[in-house]
Amino acid sequence: SQKIEQNSEALNIQEGKTATLTCNYTNYSPAYLQWYRQDPGRGPVFLLLIRENEKEKRKERLKVTFDTTLKQSLFHITASQPADSATYLCAPLTGNEKLTFGTGTRLTIIP
Amino acid sequence: NAGVTQTPKFRILKIGQSMTLQCTQDMNHNYMYWYRQDPGMGLKLIYYSVGAGITDKGEVPNGYNVSRSTTEDFPLRLELAAPSQTSVYFCASSSRQKLNTEAFFGQGTRLTVV
Repeated sequence: SQKIEQNSEALNIQEGKTATLTCNYTNYSPAYLQWYRQDPGRGPVFLLLIRENEKEKRKERLKVTFDTTLKQSLFHITASQPADSATYLCAPLTGNEKLTFGTGTRLTIIP
Repeated sequence: NAGVTQTPKFRILKIGQSMTLQCTQDMNHNYMYWYRQDPGMGLKLIYYSVGAGITDKGEVPNGYNVSRSTTEDFPLRLELAAPSQTSVYFCASSSRQKLNTEAFFGQGTRLTVV
């Protein structure tokens, strides 16, 4: 069955450093991959989408890579700030109708 | 812009009671989804719809029902509530007219079954 795994439940990073989150998927071949941010008590908010023919996508301090051979996406936050603390979710998409998410990684940026 | 609106925000149900969680979107999106999120856990897809009159099961549909009579509304029905249905429920919508655009989420409904 299809499975989406995100590297760790929790990640603590010192302010100013780069945070790297991992999303691995098995048993399917997504054409797209989305990343969302979720703050406590709130619904997820879309951050970035990367297509299978794009190796890398950037938006301000965010960078996403997509390796279809490794079946993995990496999500980087550079020059991290305490305001970046949140749970980050990945959602690989095959182009069919379902939208399913990984388990999420809770990121804490330590001042 | 209201976006995706869920009602109620909070609800306490007794075991065996029924209720409907309401979800409305004003963005003319064809795709709509219902998720549940247990404390400290990820989002689990309950049901989804690709347009009015069309619904399909997600990962955890047991104990729930949905309908999609209009583009705007996608209510989730709980029959015979059980403590295992205590969770936060999120509704989402997306257009998918341009392939795989972002999903917009409601603010959630926190449901406790006692």
